[in-house]
Amino acid sequence: DAGVIQSPRHEVTEMGQEVTLRCKPISGHDYLFWYRQTMMRGLELLIYFNNNVPIDDSGMPEDRFSAKMPNASFSTLKIQPSEPRDSAVYFCASRKKQVGELFFGEGSRLTVL
Amino acid sequence: AQSVTQPDIHITVSEGASLELRCNYSYGATPYLFWYVQSPGQGLQLLLKYFSGDTLVQGIKGFEAEFKRSQSSFNLRKPSVHWSDAAEYFCAVGARNNDMRFGAGTRLTVKP
Repeated sequence: DAGVIQSPRHEVTEMGQEVTLRCKPISGHDYLFWYRQTMMRGLELLIYFNNNVPIDDSGMPEDRFSAKMPNASFSTLKIQPSEPRDSAVYFCASRKKQVGELFFGEGSRLTVL
Repeated sequence: AQSVTQPDIHITVSEGASLELRCNYSYGATPYLFWYVQSPGQGLQLLLKYFSGDTLVQGIKGFEAEFKRSQSSFNLRKPSVHWSDAAEYFCAVGARNNDMRFGAGTRLTVKP
């Protein structure tokens, strides 16, 4: 089975631009998580979905961030407008059961100039 | 909510020496505990996990960890470190509320 697939792997954009990060979870996994990793704050949970429904978005930094999961095989994390402080590596992860290990994608490295 | 503390930001060990990475958690019920490893530019890979049962768990790449409820700890160990073990290591705690929280990570450097 393919693992969690994220795109793009790298994105460089200018402040104010819209950024869309994409994730395809492992087939059959009911849970999908978005994390952000920075040197200062480590791995932060942004939002997670269960069966395509957002369950907890309390980690989303502000209204500029939004996430959707229109179907079981696709999720997006959107930042609009982007700011330099959004520069980070964004990870998507999925899980089959309510409790269990997360399977991570390789991440999307975002640089906002 | 649950939380995880990894007291050591950076550890350096010589190749062939033993390794112990510390992890302390805070959670009101029985936690689900994990150790992940991250190589530069890569995602996180699961090393091992503890859900219940035997408190000493074995993982991949020769790693093991011991759950000590009295100390709220889940330390990672390896008897003999290889140069390829140099990476960032993350402890994580999961809970029945579904989410998973990660520690700040410990960066491991291996000296030849």
